[in-house]
Amino acid sequence: GAGVSQTPSNKVTEKGKYVELRCDPISGHTALYWYRQSLGQGPEFLIYFQGTGAADDSGLPNDRFFAVRPEGSVSTLKIQRTERGDSAVYLCASSSSGDTEAFFGQGTRLTVV
Amino acid sequence: GENVEQHPSTLSVQEGDSAVIKCTYSDSASNYFPWYKQELGKGPQLIIDIRSNVGEKKDQRIAVTLNKTAKHFSLHITETQPEDSAVYFCAAKWRGGTYKYIFGTGTRLKVLA
Repeated sequence: GAGVSQTPSNKVTEKGKYVELRCDPISGHTALYWYRQSLGQGPEFLIYFQGTGAADDSGLPNDRFFAVRPEGSVSTLKIQRTERGDSAVYLCASSSSGDTEAFFGQGTRLTVV
Repeated sequence: GENVEQHPSTLSVQEGDSAVIKCTYSDSASNYFPWYKQELGKGPQLIIDIRSNVGEKKDQRIAVTLNKTAKHFSLHITETQPEDSAVYFCAAKWRGGTYKYIFGTGTRLKVLA
């Protein structure tokens, strides 16, 4: 596609439920990033993929968070046993390689009630 | 540790005046510094970037300067227009083994007509 696409754009879930957030990067981009943005804050790094592998997952806050990119294109961020503190906008970005400019999607606003 | 400080947090200017936003980074190995503009409800949009082998880069009304010795970089917007109103984020590419970006905390720019 022309840009990074994230679905859904909004997700409301109950505390304790499981959610999946999807990211479709720009076609051909090998690098993919997940960030989390709380209200009034800058994006906070979660995980970086180069191809299919997670090159850096140091930003994942705990083991409830997991992300995959099985074929090196689409990525899914998975959150288990959601908590109210997980409420934020989850942003995905991609770049043609790790050393080039990154382009962001519009984000998924997750609300845990 | 990895850190990017950004100032000011809010900035109001009259239409036609200039705006300057400043950032300081901690990782001396960082070599790429993008600036993003984020409008309400949207993802960050890359507006200009600079690499460490260049001191200044300009694109129409926006320019970025980099002082590697002081680990400072700045965004300059001239002849501001109401549509420049948004939140601006600086970022530095962390080179500590991966290509993740560390973001500043953002500057809310308001251009008064």
